Amino acid sequence: DAKTTQPPSMDCAEGRAANLPCNHSTISGNEYVYWYRQIHSQGPQYIIHGLKNNETNEMASLIITEDRKSSTLILPHATLRDTAVYYCIVRVGHNAGNMLTFGGGTRLMVKP
Amino acid sequence: DVKVTQSSRYLVKRTGEKVFLECVQDMDHENMFWYRQDPGLGLRLIYFSYDVKMKEKGDIPEGYSVSREKKERFSLILESASTNQTSMYLCASSLDGYEQYFGPGTRLTVT
Repeated sequence: DAKTTQPPSMDCAEGRAANLPCNHSTISGNEYVYWYRQIHSQGPQYIIHGLKNNETNEMASLIITEDRKSSTLILPHATLRDTAVYYCIVRVGHNAGNMLTFGGGTRLMVKP
Repeated sequence: DVKVTQSSRYLVKRTGEKVFLECVQDMDHENMFWYRQDPGLGLRLIYFSYDVKMKEKGDIPEGYSVSREKKERFSLILESASTNQTSMYLCASSLDGYEQYFGPGTRLTVT
């Protein structure tokens, strides 16, 4: 799986959009971009994934650059409960045996 | 909503004990996974199962075994617990391999 690079930490004001960047310059054509988050003392939570088109669901939006070498996760109206470590992962999408590999992630702190 | 439950949130066992960690999912998912998570080492796959009675080794299977007798249940077994198996253990399930849904985790301490 391709390696990802994320900033170690970010702050965001409550109610504002949180934009979390991720670089994945060695991504292969069949690899998807996934985002998970982990709130303290809980299991990881799936957020969103995409291949090349931008994606949106009830939790977030995922913007992938045209060359697919980077992406941004957007939480449109961050709340205090969004404080967590956010992991960007690239992997072949549908291979069940292809495990998740979490790097360091970005620790997002949402402040009142 | 997918629900993945794990038998215990916290567990303390002695060296040499046999330890059972149970995981149950309620969404009829084919695939189930056991990971351990350690500071600085991230998430590491121990075993996964893509069907009842089927299992595949992950990256770190040594010292562990698994059992999947029913589709909804995936058990992790530590045959003889050691202190280096002190960790957070996370179970996950997935329908098609795209997104994985995790349980709350079991923090195991082996003394």
